[in-house]
Amino acid sequence: GAVVSQHPSWVICKSGTSVKIECRSLDFQATTMFWYRQFPKQSLMLMATSNEGSKATYEQGVEKDKFLINHASLTLSTLTVTSAHPEDSSFYICSAPTTGTNEKLFFGSGTQLSVL
Amino acid sequence: GESVGLHLPTLSVQEGDNSIINCAYSNSASDYFIWYKQESGKGPQFIIDIRSNMDKRQGQRVTVLLNKTVKHLSLQIAATQPGDSAVYFCAEITSGANNLFFGTGTRLTVIP
Repeated sequence: GAVVSQHPSWVICKSGTSVKIECRSLDFQATTMFWYRQFPKQSLMLMATSNEGSKATYEQGVEKDKFLINHASLTLSTLTVTSAHPEDSSFYICSAPTTGTNEKLFFGSGTQLSVL
Repeated sequence: GESVGLHLPTLSVQEGDNSIINCAYSNSASDYFIWYKQESGKGPQFIIDIRSNMDKRQGQRVTVLLNKTVKHLSLQIAATQPGDSAVYFCAEITSGANNLFFGTGTRLTVIP
């Protein structure tokens, strides 16, 4: 099946630093990618929809200045957690649809962010 | 979003038994549903999907049942194996919308 690569898989950083997470579609093009956040023992919560060539669409309550999204090409979307704080520690997951809709969604392996 | 999970319910089954995982969705306009399996520290993995014009779909060892009247979805796993231990999420999509919303999730533990 289609492959979505997410990097890095684990990040430990000091409070106040910025962390960039990459999401790549390896064998297909994705004009749209989704970013999710997952706290321990909880479900995935959609943060934002990344759109190639245009601004990302953020879900209610998600700070766009805090979570910067850039979808620079048809195979790469990045999420930057700016000035990270301990409460930003979470599991971040990206996904990309292989078709024009968000069916047949393939997920990256996730990034565990730990902010000290 | 519509369905947002808070804490994971758990289900423990003996190896070889059948498992039934349930999910309630909230948006009656949702017309496409997916079950995902998520192992610890990994992203969700697609298991099976079903459209709202169907009430049952079978895959290899898995069956999904959809009851639109009560907005209920279930995943049946036949002859559950230790490798099936994971968290299972249902997800719903509404045609024309751009978002996939996940249900609460259920942690399945298979006892050897």
